[in-house]
Amino acid sequence: DIVLTQSPVSLPVTPGEPASISCRSSQSLLHSSGYNYLEWYLQKPGQSPQLLMYLASTRASGVPDRFSGSGSGTDLTLKISRVEPEDVGVYYCMQVLQLPYTFGQGTKLEIK
Amino acid sequence: EAQLVESGGGLVQPGGSLTLACAASGFTFSTHWMHWVRQDPERGLMWVSRIEHDGTTRYADSVKGRFTISRDNARNTLYLQMHSLRADDTALYYCVRDGDGPITLDLWGPGTMVTVSS
Repeated sequence: DIVLTQSPVSLPVTPGEPASISCRSSQSLLHSSGYNYLEWYLQKPGQSPQLLMYLASTRASGVPDRFSGSGSGTDLTLKISRVEPEDVGVYYCMQVLQLPYTFGQGTKLEIK
Repeated sequence: EAQLVESGGGLVQPGGSLTLACAASGFTFSTHWMHWVRQDPERGLMWVSRIEHDGTTRYADSVKGRFTISRDNARNTLYLQMHSLRADDTALYYCVRDGDGPITLDLWGPGTMVTVSS
């Protein structure tokens, strides 16, 4: 199974400041199509996870453009250009290159 | 509005069985692959199973042979039959829709809690 390791585990951020979350994979997530088969999810407190990004760098419908995804292969990153209070929660990366789909352990973003 | 609502969770003894259901509404259920994903505080999020619109199924190794995913497109309902339940199956079980094209888990239900304990 592909193992995803996220860092940091906890991320305290001042509103208006940028934030960055790393997702490292035990195998390359780059498909022959040229796309990285990685998705990012945010689980807000008391809610189910919600899709933020797919194919590593494409924002899901309704996701603000302050969110961006980058990287390739085994080293992928989610960036928030200016953190807002509503961005608090746990962020997960998930690989969809091969079954079983696997998730990172999560990064908890909190407001300072 | 598209939504998924799970039901059927509860307390069950080790070795017991339980069947979860997921009612879909607000979208064309029959055209989407569907998944079950579970979450517990110790192991985090884990993909459990997938069913394609033609009925093809896939499972995580830890549940293969014990869990069965199925769907009733006429009733817009997804199921997960769980047998030989173990303590480590204790989790919040989510029903999740597979999105269009390259998008995977694009619509999640609120989840139903399964507790395996004597």
